[in-house]
This record gives sequence, structure tokens and C-alpha cells, in this order.
Amino acid sequence: DSGVTQTPKHLITATGQRVTLRCSPRSGDLSVYWYQQSLDQGLQFLIQYYNGEERAKGNILERFSAQQFPDLHSELNLSSLELGDSALYFCASSVGAGAGNEQFFGPGTRLTVL
Amino acid sequence: QQPVQSPQAVILREGEDAVINCSSSKALYSVHWYRQKHGEAPVFLMILLKGGEQKGHDKISASFNEKKQQSSLYLTASQLSYSGTYFCGTEHTGGFKTIFGAGTRLFVKA
Repeated sequence: DSGVTQTPKHLITATGQRVTLRCSPRSGDLSVYWYQQSLDQGLQFLIQYYNGEERAKGNILERFSAQQFPDLHSELNLSSLELGDSALYFCASSVGAGAGNEQFFGPGTRLTVL
Repeated sequence: QQPVQSPQAVILREGEDAVINCSSSKALYSVHWYRQKHGEAPVFLMILLKGGEQKGHDKISASFNEKKQQSSLYLTASQLSYSGTYFCGTEHTGGFKTIFGAGTRLFVKA
């Protein structure tokens, strides 16, 4: 158990809908990262927050947005969902913001878009 | 720029050794190594920083060649529990993103 929690574990929804994925980092960690992993693919970096502020952006679609709240939990919002958005979404956390910080991954949310 | 991992897949018998390589075309600041079992979260193995020493624990170790912008993960005397997909994640000086390679699938059989 990494100490990072994600809810829900599974999410099944229809195309065009909007969903929110939630992540709580390990106690003491200020950074939160979001990754997308499609079936049998690698980890695609989406976005990073540090202490409430956006720090880095990857190939995140405009339909996707995220935020980190004062209590450091983070939410990833996915809207106008398409079939291709079906994937495992991982959240990870680390103590610091810069390079060289080990990241601890949550169990993931499996999103299925029908 | 996504790092390149090689080999893409490897099959071992218990007790055999393996090396997984991770190469970048850009100057590296750090390299992370993770192992992921099917349907589970990636698990942190180790991180190597520019200018740092070779790291290792138990029978898994890694090196970082700054000149070649390459890191290698060494698995010695492999065990069944080593099976999974190994990802390297690279970071560059001044950056905040960790870019992961496509992964190396390792299967250890009895």
C-alpha cells in the first residue's frame, strides 16, 4: 500500500458524459501527478500540481482539467468523453516538486466509456 | 521526448540474470525505475540522480551513464516475483515532468 488513495476504483459511463476522479496523496506529500495508461500501453503524463499550483503539463486534452485543493487532494475532470478515453488513470504523489523526487502511485481508476 | 527502452520483452528462467536499458536523446537529470504487475499500480524501485552512484537493493541494481544519457537496470538471480513490466522514467534539468518509456515486459518461469 503506497498511501495514495484514489476513488472510484471503477467507472463506467457513456460517451459525451463528464466524470471526476479523486486522489488523496500520501501524508506529507505536496505534489500530485496524473497519468493515463491505455490498454497495455505506457504511462502518459497529464499534469502535475504542487501545493495547489499547476507545475507541469503534459499531453492533456482540453476536455480534461484538474485542480489541487487546500487539503492537497486533487481531482481530475474529464468531459465530453470519447471511447478513446477508456483507460487506467493513476495519481501519484511525492514530497517535492522538482526532478529527482520518487513518486508513489495510487491503485488507479479504471474508466470505461461505452 | 520519450526514452527508449530495450529489450521490449524478455523471458527468463528462475535464477537467470537480465539487463534492461533506458536511453534518452536529451541530457538527463534523473532516471526512475518502476515495476508494474498487470492491472496494478507501478511500484517504485529506485531513482538515480546525475552525478550519483550506482544504486541497488537485494538483487536489483541500476546504473546511470551520464555520457551516454543511459541507465541500465540489472536483475540478478531472477525470481518468479520479478515478472512484470519495467518502466523507466526520465527527467531533465529544470523540468518537472517525468516521461516514461514504453516499458519492458519481463516474464520469469520456473
